[in-house]
Amino acid sequence: KAGVTQTPRYLIKTRGQQVTLSCSPISGHRSVSWYQQTPGQGLQFLFEYFSETQRNKGNFPGRFSGRQFSNSRSEMNVSTLELGDSALYLCASSLLTGANEKLFFGSGTQLSVL
Amino acid sequence: AQSVSQHNHHVILSEAASLELGCNYSYGGTVNLFWYVQYPGQHLQLLLKYFSGDPLVKGIKGFEAEFIKSKFSFNLRKPSVQWSDTAEYFCAVNPGGSQGNLIFGKGTKLSVKP
Repeated sequence: KAGVTQTPRYLIKTRGQQVTLSCSPISGHRSVSWYQQTPGQGLQFLFEYFSETQRNKGNFPGRFSGRQFSNSRSEMNVSTLELGDSALYLCASSLLTGANEKLFFGSGTQLSVL
Repeated sequence: AQSVSQHNHHVILSEAASLELGCNYSYGGTVNLFWYVQYPGQHLQLLLKYFSGDPLVKGIKGFEAEFIKSKFSFNLRKPSVQWSDTAEYFCAVNPGGSQGNLIFGKGTKLSVKP
């Protein structure tokens, strides 16, 4: 069974640009969560989608957005990039919604903002 | 704000030594607790979790954790570590028990010397 797939693996952008990251969950999983990981702040929750609906949202500015498609694949978008957005963005999928579910993480997308 | 504290940033042990990694959280209500692990070159994966019942929880690979409500702690233990336990360990809390997000600690790197 294929795991959670995140693309691209690495991304370099400049300030002010926007970026879209993609996540394909494990087949059959309907929930996708996104986390930002930085050395200073650790892992921080961005948002969770279940059946194409955003179920929960973390404390991030509106520049961070996401969506989920009918096949459960998810994308997150960051507009007007700032230097502080440089981070590893992790996607996790689970069968059902809620953090009590076992989360399966992808390898992440390493975003560098110059 | 709710937070999770992991006391040690980096722990170095010799094989066969006993391990205890500290984790404290700040939330007065019902919590669900987790330990996730990231082995070198691999994805984050669930090690064990506590929802209710016996406060001593057993996970994979001989790990266990004890929930002490009065101390707001969920420390991870293993009686005898192996070189293959070298990894980064993350404690996480789901405050309220039903939200869709996890609050992670900043992680503890464990290095086991053969």
